[in-house]
Amino acid sequence: DAKTTQPNSMESNEEEPVHLPCNHSTISGTDYIHWYLQLPSQGPEYVIHGLTSNVNNRMASLAIAEDRKSSTLILHRATLRDAAVYYCILRDDGGSQGNLIFGKGTKLSVKP
Amino acid sequence: KAGVTQTPRYLIKTRGQQVTLSCSPISGHRSVSWYQQTPGQGLQFLFEYFSETQRNKGNFPGRFSGRQFSNSRSEMNVSTLELGDSALYLCASSFLSTGLAANNEQFFGPGTRLTVL
Repeated sequence: DAKTTQPNSMESNEEEPVHLPCNHSTISGTDYIHWYLQLPSQGPEYVIHGLTSNVNNRMASLAIAEDRKSSTLILHRATLRDAAVYYCILRDDGGSQGNLIFGKGTKLSVKP
Repeated sequence: KAGVTQTPRYLIKTRGQQVTLSCSPISGHRSVSWYQQTPGQGLQFLFEYFSETQRNKGNFPGRFSGRQFSNSRSEMNVSTLELGDSALYLCASSFLSTGLAANNEQFFGPGTRLTVL
């Protein structure tokens, strides 16, 4: 599976937008880009995923670069509850792996 | 719809013992994956079961094993426990397995916190 690179940590102020970057320069054409978050002492939670086009859901937006070598998770208005570790993961549509390969993720802190 | 449940939530064992953890997936989900999370190694994939068959396996020693039942419930077993096995063990379920899973999300349970003394 292709690897992703994320900043170790980011800070945001409450009620401001947050842009969490992810680089995946070796992404293949069949890789989906997934984002999960993990709150302290809880299991990871699905946020959003996409293949080529930008995606929006009630939690966040996913902006995918035209060459697909990077993507950005956008939280439109950060709240204190958004403080978590965010993982950017690639999943191969053409492979046989059903599992997720987690990196270190980005620890997001939200200041009131 | 009930989420993924894991039992027990907390467990304390001593070195050399064995332990069995249980996971009940979301109703209708046939794929169950197990992950180990430690502060040093992060989240690591253990194995995946789909329709009672092990589909994929991570890089863990043979002391770690699992199985899936016909109702999709899954158990994982760790024999001859070592101090380094202390971790949060997470179970995740999804509707599909293999490559088709790339376009599907995984739903995680709250985990079982295992402490080995």
